[in-house]
Amino acid sequence: AQSVTQLGSHVSVSEGALVLLRCNYSSSVPPYLFWYVQYPNQGLQLLLKYTTGATLVKGINGFEAEFKKSETSFHLTKPSAHMSDAAEYFCAVSDLGSSNTGKLIFGQGTTLQVKP
Amino acid sequence: DSGVTQTPKHLITATGQRVTLRCSPRSGDLSVYWYQQSLDQGLQFLIQYYNGEERAKGNILERFSAQQFPDLHSELNLSSLELGDSALYFCASSVAGQGTETQYFGPGTRLLVL
Repeated sequence: AQSVTQLGSHVSVSEGALVLLRCNYSSSVPPYLFWYVQYPNQGLQLLLKYTTGATLVKGINGFEAEFKKSETSFHLTKPSAHMSDAAEYFCAVSDLGSSNTGKLIFGQGTTLQVKP
Repeated sequence: DSGVTQTPKHLITATGQRVTLRCSPRSGDLSVYWYQQSLDQGLQFLIQYYNGEERAKGNILERFSAQQFPDLHSELNLSSLELGDSALYFCASSVAGQGTETQYFGPGTRLLVL
């Protein structure tokens, strides 16, 4: 069975600093991995995803993530934080199991605070 | 705007009652998912439908049921409500319900059970 662990429920950075949000996964099959962002009082929005191919994935709003199979990680980064990046971020894996259903298993989420 | 609509936005009800949450997927999407977001459980998958048929089931209580109608909208029915059912309920949709697809989330229905 697949699972996701996000290290750090709260991350605080200064505006302009590097953003690094950590995600480790467990999967018995090649995983499909996603990062979603949730702004206050809104639904989730896809930032980026990895299915196959290039392991460095670029997403919206300057975010990117690198799939590292040897480390079972899919960390999210952004070179320079902006105040508008303050939100909750969720890492997720498709629960492939015995059938390809698209069901997502989410990590517990990381709240990103950006200080001026 | 994801194109997924959910009604109502907020719902306040009492224990023991029954409520229905409604979701309309993006135009062209055949698959609908329901998720529950709560402080103690986080984001949990409840159930998935594809073109009117149930495709996958998660940790959905027996008191909860769902269906997808011929026009592809979906309803989540919650009955015999308990205080612990208070949560944010999200609907998401995707084209064909496959693991590689992006799921587009609605704004959610916030349920408060008093």
